[in-house]
Amino acid sequence: GAVVSQHPSWVICKSGTSVKIECRSLDFQATTMFWYRQFPKQSLMLMATSNEGSKATYEQGVEKDKFLINHASLTLSTLTVTSAHPEDSSFYICSARASGASTDTQYFGPGTRLTVL
Amino acid sequence: ILNVEQSPQSLHVQEGDSTNFTCSFPSSNFYALHWYRWETAKSPEALFVMTLNGDEKKKGRISATLNTKEGYSYLYIKGSQPEDSATYLCAFNGSSNTGKLIFGQGTTLQVKP
Repeated sequence: GAVVSQHPSWVICKSGTSVKIECRSLDFQATTMFWYRQFPKQSLMLMATSNEGSKATYEQGVEKDKFLINHASLTLSTLTVTSAHPEDSSFYICSARASGASTDTQYFGPGTRLTVL
Repeated sequence: ILNVEQSPQSLHVQEGDSTNFTCSFPSSNFYALHWYRWETAKSPEALFVMTLNGDEKKKGRISATLNTKEGYSYLYIKGSQPEDSATYLCAFNGSSNTGKLIFGQGTTLQVKP
């Protein structure tokens, strides 16, 4: 149980294009999902908290107009990197916290490697 | 700025060796400390969520302890096996409401047969 999928697992795009990454909780409902990114040799850094039915909360230094988050259902959150540039190349990974769970465990997807040429 | 440090950065051991790593975190505003195991090309797997000072949790050959007053947690692996090879991440949660996790850089363990 508690499986989170992410799609795509990797993507290569041209500079200036937009890329959408999906995060799905497959066997549980998630009121809250989190988006992280990891640059080489660095730790996972929280970008934003995605709440179902409301606006996402972004961490300091993360541009909300560049990284659009939509959490339209209890099992799906999407991250769209708009007008991607080479500096956006990174590993993006989501996690989901089960609704009404007795623990605070976050379940992670396998991540998406984005390369912007 | 809240900082979570893990040491060592990497570790190579022989099959059968026991090993341990350290995670240090802020000792104030503590809510929970999470441990994850992350194998290449897979999702990070939740190992433990620790909340109480003095907590000790065990899952098979892996166990963890928690000291919130001094701000550290140890992860122990008894009798390491090649399948234990992975990156072990700890994450500090300073707030129950937001669930925001601050991750350390991880300890990468390589177990040689």
